[in-house]
Amino acid sequence: RKEVEQDPGPFNVPEGATVAFNCTYSNSASQSFFWYRQDCRKEPKLLMSVYSSGNEDGRFTAQLNRASQYISLLIRDSKLSDSATYLCVVILNTGGFKTIFGAGTRLFVKA
Amino acid sequence: GAVVSQHPSRVICKSGTSVKIECRSLDFQATTMFWYRQFPKKSLMLMATSNEGSKATYEQGVEKDKFLINHASLTLSTLTVTSAHPEDSSFYICSAKFMRVGTNEKLFFGSGTQLSVL
Repeated sequence: RKEVEQDPGPFNVPEGATVAFNCTYSNSASQSFFWYRQDCRKEPKLLMSVYSSGNEDGRFTAQLNRASQYISLLIRDSKLSDSATYLCVVILNTGGFKTIFGAGTRLFVKA
Repeated sequence: GAVVSQHPSRVICKSGTSVKIECRSLDFQATTMFWYRQFPKKSLMLMATSNEGSKATYEQGVEKDKFLINHASLTLSTLTVTSAHPEDSSFYICSAKFMRVGTNEKLFFGSGTQLSVL
């Protein structure tokens, strides 16, 4: 089992749609959780940190369920500019720090 | 947000040469930096964790003698690809762990280095 697993995608949605991304992690030593977006051949850019209490930033809502080891990202009213690959990222602390990336889910938003 | 500078952005070199890539945290101190490589249409793969003042921790399958990592200061980590071969051609990205009292830790990424070995 992969340490971080995401929906395989790609997701093809029309503008204005609501999109949900799911991510699960297997290591209980995971301590920090993030969603990043990556455009083609660019570096990942932080979209949101993810907290157990849930957090919202405009059209984006992230949620963490530690009991289920599950992370989600919801995008409402999707825009063409939301087209990108969304990466679920986990930082483990097992005596030393280690970052684990999900494989990413590609999103295509179409007019 | 915090800024991480990675240099150079693109390198073309001959097989057998060594290439050094720098990763700098410009406005914060980073005790921990990470190095990744990414093949086209694939996700980032962690190569190693770079710890300031100590040896890097390499992931399984990554040759430490081939990919030399030095983290001599709190703002600079370097990755040297020694005796590069065409199969080392890839996109290399660094990230730095940003921590500040009262905030949750974050990762900030350099802009990446596209290495092409001829």
